[in-house]
Order: sequence, then C-alpha cells, then structure tokens
Amino acid sequence: GDSVTQMEGPVTLSEEAFLTINCTYTATGYPSLFWYVQYPGEGLQLLLKATKADDKGSNKGFEATYRKETTSFHLEKGSVQVSDSAVYFCALNHAGTYKYIFGTGTRLKVLA
Amino acid sequence: EAGVTQFPSHSVIEKGQTVTLRCDPISGHDNLYWYRRVMGKEIKFLLHFVKESKQDESGMPNNRFLAERTGGTYSTLKVQPAELEDSGVYFCASSQERTGTGLSGYTFGSGTRLTVV
Repeated sequence: GDSVTQMEGPVTLSEEAFLTINCTYTATGYPSLFWYVQYPGEGLQLLLKATKADDKGSNKGFEATYRKETTSFHLEKGSVQVSDSAVYFCALNHAGTYKYIFGTGTRLKVLA
Repeated sequence: EAGVTQFPSHSVIEKGQTVTLRCDPISGHDNLYWYRRVMGKEIKFLLHFVKESKQDESGMPNNRFLAERTGGTYSTLKVQPAELEDSGVYFCASSQERTGTGLSGYTFGSGTRLTVV
C-alpha cells in the first residue's frame, strides 16, 4: 500500500540556518503531495502542496519540489525563524479521494 | 469563520474506562474525518462521514471505537473500554469537498490528546 517516510527528528537549528526535511513516498499512480505543519497548541495546517511531477509548492518561505524520479518531496527553507518551530508532516493523497497518507512527522526546534 | 473545534484538548483516563471525544466541524461542511496519531507514529485515517452517514470506517481499529454524527453536525468518538494502546492524539477535520485536493482542502482541529494509564 501507499506510504510516506520522513526523516526522524527532532531537528534543532539556530535561527537563520538552512532547513531540509526529507520526505519520500511509495504510491501507485500519481498522487498529490503535501506538507502540513502543526504549531504548538494548534491544528494541522496545510503549508504547501504539489499535484504533479516537477511542480514546486511554496508558502511562507518554504519550498518543496515533486520529484517523481526519486519519489521525493523534501521541504526546504533558506533561513528559519524561531516561529517556525513546529511539527511538520509530509502526506500524499490521490486525486478524487479524501484519504490522506501521512508520514510520522518531524519536530523542528529553532533556537534564537 | 470558526475553525474545527475539538473537546477536550487533553484527557487522562484509566484502562477500562470510557472516553468520548467531540468534534465540531466548520458550519456547512458536510464531510467530517477522524484521524489518529499514536505516539511517534504516522497520522492514520480512522473514518469519514458525509453528513450523518459513515462513508468509510476502514481505519477504525476495533469494535471498542464508536463514532457518531447525529444530525450531520458535530461528531463524537467513543472508546469503550479504553486500552493502553489507544493513547495518542485524535484529530478531526472537515471539508466542503469530498476530496482532499480541493481548493479548500481539509481544516483540521487541534486534536485531543488521550492518555490511558
């Protein structure tokens, strides 16, 4: 069945450091790929998405590119802030369906 | 617009007791979903309502879990009797469209953290 694999956390960075959180997937067909973020005390929020190969999703300085050849959707940000501290979840979803397949989540802690 | 609201935010119960989690979706959202994250693992789908009807409950772990959505508004998820392995964070989400890739996508609640001791 479909699955999503994320790098284990926690990831601890200093402010303004470069961030990469790895995500790879296994799926039939051509799923859409997502990054969700959960800030402390809040619900999951959609951060960005990409619906086909080579698409780049971006939001709030974060980016991820849908790489079909490597089945990856790595999350990157050039300069993290303390306010980016959260848990990040990679997920996939097949068009026309309602069910998400999530990864295990990666906790990011950014130190001032 | 108000978001998806879940009650309680935390619950600690003893093994064998009953717990009921509640989810209030965004008004007008016919689709309501329950997901669960067991500690350190992935978030997994539990079930999907369209209005008051269960469309897919393939993710419900066993018959100790009962979900209802009377009147197609709020939903409850009851665990009876609770076991240690039920501990985790239970998320509720709602959407207007049936698909997760629609423009509005899902809106998730902040979750209920359930601890069974």
